[in-house]
Amino acid sequence: AQSVTQPDIHITVSEGASLELRCNYSYGATPYLFWYVQSPGQGLQLLLKYFSGDTLVQGIKGFEAEFKRSQSSFNLRKPSVHWSDAAEYFCAVGQGGKLIFGQGTELSVKP
Amino acid sequence: NAGVTQTPKFQVLKTGQSMTLQCAQDMNHEYMSWYRQDPGMGLRLIHYSVGAGITDQGEVPNGYNVSRSTTEDFPLRLLSAAPSQTSVYFCASSYSRGSHEQYFGPGTRLTVT
Repeated sequence: AQSVTQPDIHITVSEGASLELRCNYSYGATPYLFWYVQSPGQGLQLLLKYFSGDTLVQGIKGFEAEFKRSQSSFNLRKPSVHWSDAAEYFCAVGQGGKLIFGQGTELSVKP
Repeated sequence: NAGVTQTPKFQVLKTGQSMTLQCAQDMNHEYMSWYRQDPGMGLRLIHYSVGAGITDQGEVPNGYNVSRSTTEDFPLRLLSAAPSQTSVYFCASSYSRGSHEQYFGPGTRLTVT
């Protein structure tokens, strides 16, 4: 069965430091991959998506992600984190119109 | 466009009560879905619809009913609420089943006592 794993439940980084959130998926074909962000008490906002083509995709708020087929990974990165980036981040794979989500990674940002 | 709207934002039910969570979208999207979010489990698909009159079960459908009489609306019904249904519920829509890019509503926080 298809699955998505986010190995890190909680990450704390200092403001201005770089960030990488990990995502691994299990899927037979070329997947549709997504990263969503959820601020406290809010719904989910799409950060970026990968369907095909260039394996490095740019998203909103300065985020990017790289699709690595050989590693079945789609890690999210940001070169310099801002305090407003504190939120929960979800990786998801699209299958037959449905989204299968990882467990989420909560990001805390310290001054 | 309002996007995807959900009502109510918060609800407290007693065990055994019934209620309907409302979801509407004004983007003329064919595909709509309901997820529940529980701590440490991400979002799990409850039911989905690929168009008016067509619904199907997701990963965790037990205890929930849906119908889709119009393109715009996709209500979720709890027939007899149980404490295990305490969760945050999100409705989402996308242009079509194949587009995969889903737009989410703000959520409904439900507590069943």
